[in-house]
Amino acid sequence: DAGVIQSPRHEVTEMGQEVTLRCKPISGHNSLFWYRQTMMRGLELLIYFNNNVPIDDSGMPEDRFSAKMPNASFSTLKIQPSEPRDSAVYFCASSQAPGGGNTEAFFGQGTRLTVV
Amino acid sequence: GENVEQHPSTLSVQEGDSAVIKCTYSDSASNYFPWYKQELGKRPQLIIDIRSNVGEKKDQRIAVTLNKTAKHFSLHITETQPEDSAVYFCAASPGGTSYGKLTFGQGTILTVHP
Repeated sequence: DAGVIQSPRHEVTEMGQEVTLRCKPISGHNSLFWYRQTMMRGLELLIYFNNNVPIDDSGMPEDRFSAKMPNASFSTLKIQPSEPRDSAVYFCASSQAPGGGNTEAFFGQGTRLTVV
Repeated sequence: GENVEQHPSTLSVQEGDSAVIKCTYSDSASNYFPWYKQELGKRPQLIIDIRSNVGEKKDQRIAVTLNKTAKHFSLHITETQPEDSAVYFCAASPGGTSYGKLTFGQGTILTVHP
């Protein structure tokens, strides 16, 4: 398996533009997580899904952020409109719920977002 | 919600020495405690984890201890090598169907000098 795949790897956009980050979890994993990493706030959980259903979005900073998981192999994180303070590395991670064996959360390579 | 505190924020050791990183957590419902290593510009990768029914776990040069009563857990790296230099994060999770729902500590920058 190629692991968790995120795209794009780097994104530079102007303030006010819409940004969409994409994630393909490891095949067979049924939990998907979006994390954000900044120097100031470290690694923060934004939202997570179990079996494609959003379970906890309490970490989503504000209404400008939204996430979807239309099927088991794809998820998006959208920021509209983007602001300079959204600049960060966004990680997607996936794991398999207990009963399915491995519970480790595997991280993708991340998307480095810069909003200018 | 859960709060995880990690110390020290930076740690510098000589090759061959041991390194210890400590974390405390606040939510007694947490029962899964992984440790991740992140090299510069790369993704966090799991190096060891422990569940609350276990007090200690060892994997070669790495060990983790857990004290649920005191709500703290520690990472021990023995015989450190320069390639151990990275940022290390502890985390806590409620487990169940949410093993990947991780609250991270602030990270420890470990530098191993040859």
